[in-house]
Amino acid sequence: NAGVTQTPKFQVLKTGQSMTLQCAQDMNHEYMSWYRQDPGMGLRLIHYSVGAGITDQGEVPNGYNVSRSTTEDFPLRLLSAAPSQTSVYFCASAEDQESYEQYFGPGTRLTVT
Amino acid sequence: AQKITQTQPGMFVQEKEAVTLDCTYDTSDQSYGLFWYKQPSSGEMIFLIYQGSYDEQNATEGRYSLNFQKARKSANLVISASQLGDSAMYFCAMSRRTSYDKVIFGPGTSLSVIP
Repeated sequence: NAGVTQTPKFQVLKTGQSMTLQCAQDMNHEYMSWYRQDPGMGLRLIHYSVGAGITDQGEVPNGYNVSRSTTEDFPLRLLSAAPSQTSVYFCASAEDQESYEQYFGPGTRLTVT
Repeated sequence: AQKITQTQPGMFVQEKEAVTLDCTYDTSDQSYGLFWYKQPSSGEMIFLIYQGSYDEQNATEGRYSLNFQKARKSANLVISASQLGDSAMYFCAMSRRTSYDKVIFGPGTSLSVIP
């Protein structure tokens, strides 16, 4: 099992550009989520999904879109990048919404100039 | 509103000694879960331990134990017999019990283990 994979590992964008951060898991997990981590802060939940076709907003969803067309994939889209979105992004998965252990991907470090 | 507080930005511990990392929380939910995660310098997030608010026993996982005091709203992580590989950031987190739609993380504590 590869676990949770994220691509790319690093990305630099200019203000206004759009891009998609990829996340995939091969554990057949129902629950997937996206977090951002800023210096001096813990992780903050952006969006999450409890299964294919179902997504919902977390604590900081503005400026981000998600979709869940398959169980395996949960891409995060930045519609129009802003410097405030400079952060490290983590994708995570759990067996289902009743599970308490989340498995995290290695993270994507995004810089918006 | 839910909130997690970790008042120790940095901690030092001698190798082989025990260390306690503090976590206090605030929630109006009756049922909730408390987590601890480790983030080494390599950046990945590693789940360590979980405590449900209705669990009567304190959770333990190997050298990790969670000192859960519900009335004080504290969920301190105790690491016994510290090892050099324990040097990392440690994050306390809370969610509705087994539900992640309101999961929040604390700011973290940096632990350094001294040989």
